[in-house]
Amino acid sequence: NAGVTQTPKFQVLKTGQSMTLQCAQDMNHEYMSWYRQDPGMGLRLIHYSVGAGITDQGEVPNGYNVSRSTTEDFPLRLLSAAPSQTSVYFCASNPGPGPYEQYFGPGTRLTVT
Amino acid sequence: TQLLEQSPQFLSIQEGENLTVYCNSSSVFSSLQWYRQEPGEGPVLLVTVVTGGEVKKLKRLTFQFGDARKDSSLHITAAQPGDTGLYLCAGAWGYDYKLSFGAGTTVTVRA
Repeated sequence: NAGVTQTPKFQVLKTGQSMTLQCAQDMNHEYMSWYRQDPGMGLRLIHYSVGAGITDQGEVPNGYNVSRSTTEDFPLRLLSAAPSQTSVYFCASNPGPGPYEQYFGPGTRLTVT
Repeated sequence: TQLLEQSPQFLSIQEGENLTVYCNSSSVFSSLQWYRQEPGEGPVLLVTVVTGGEVKKLKRLTFQFGDARKDSSLHITAAQPGDTGLYLCAGAWGYDYKLSFGAGTTVTVRA
């Protein structure tokens, strides 16, 4: 099993550009989440999904869109990139509601200039 | 959002010393997890505690969940350079167990 995979590993965008961060998992997990990690702030939840076709907002959703058409994939779209979105982005999955381990991908380091 | 405060933010100790990291909140959590993160990688789960007062041991690491399920601690005995990393606590809340993360404690163990 590959676990949770994320692409790209690094990305540089200009202000106003859009892009999609890809995330896929091969563990048949129901739940998937996107977090951003900034120095001194831990991980903050952007959006999450409890199953295909179901998504909801997390703590910091503004400027990001998600969709979940399959169990495996959960892409994160930046609509119009801003310097404040410079961060490291992590995708995670877990089996469902309960005290289960979150499996994290390796992260995408995004810089917006 | 449920706030989790971790302390200290940074910890640098000599190999063989003990250390404790604290995680505190005013909110009650359904469960609490500790993760460790290496540079350039995603966090990896160390332990999950569910019951108030619960203590779990993982080799030289001891985890405790407060009686009221609002706080937790991570104690490392005889730290080794391999224990170096970012330690994150995460509390689960809500029916779908959303996680709120603390800001993390960067631990450096010098040989």
